[in-house]
Amino acid sequence: AQKVTQAQTEISVVEKEDVTLDCVYETRDTTYYLFWYKQPPSGELVFLIRRNSFDEQNEISGRYSWNFQKSTSSFNFTITASQVVDSAVYFCALSEETSGTYKYIFGTGTRLKVLA
Amino acid sequence: EAGVAQSPRYKIIEKRQSVAFWCNPISGHATLYWYQQILGQGPKLLIQFQNNGVVDDSQLPKDRFSAERLKGVDSTLKIQPAKLEDSAVYLCASSLSSRDPRRNTEAFFGQGTRLTVV
Repeated sequence: AQKVTQAQTEISVVEKEDVTLDCVYETRDTTYYLFWYKQPPSGELVFLIRRNSFDEQNEISGRYSWNFQKSTSSFNFTITASQVVDSAVYFCALSEETSGTYKYIFGTGTRLKVLA
Repeated sequence: EAGVAQSPRYKIIEKRQSVAFWCNPISGHATLYWYQQILGQGPKLLIQFQNNGVVDDSQLPKDRFSAERLKGVDSTLKIQPAKLEDSAVYLCASSLSSRDPRRNTEAFFGQGTRLTVV
């Protein structure tokens, strides 16, 4: 069975602090994709990053970085020097092939509050 | 490039009434998804289309929910009759899917329709 677990329901940090959002996944497939999406108060899910199962190289994009470890089935997301605009709900998602197309399974989300 | 368009943005109906949501995906995206997001939860897949065929509707409450994808482009999701527990945000998404994993893209989401059933 495929599953995505985001154990942190809500995190509050003070502006400029670093924060890490955890994501643990379960899958039997050898080829899969992992994603992080941001959902601001407006409600739209905004794509942040995609990572392929065959590429464990970590990635940094500005203040965002992602740590993918297949050995622990984790795909954690770190925001460095957090800002108030980072306040949102963040979702980790797993995508696997089903009948030649891809199905997305989302975690329950982590609400991040960055306080000024 | 235009994103995924959804309408209406908000809808309030009484229980037992019917309602329909509309989605226009990104041009060229063969895969279209409808998700239900209840407050405080992650999105849950209701139905997935590949062109105008249904790939997965295992979590669609078929006694009251129906969906179609017209000519493999626009899609409508209908609820009839609505229940109080259907109050949620209904998200439409589309993606460019391929059997070649290198050509797969992320799903792009619309702003959603917030449904309140009273």
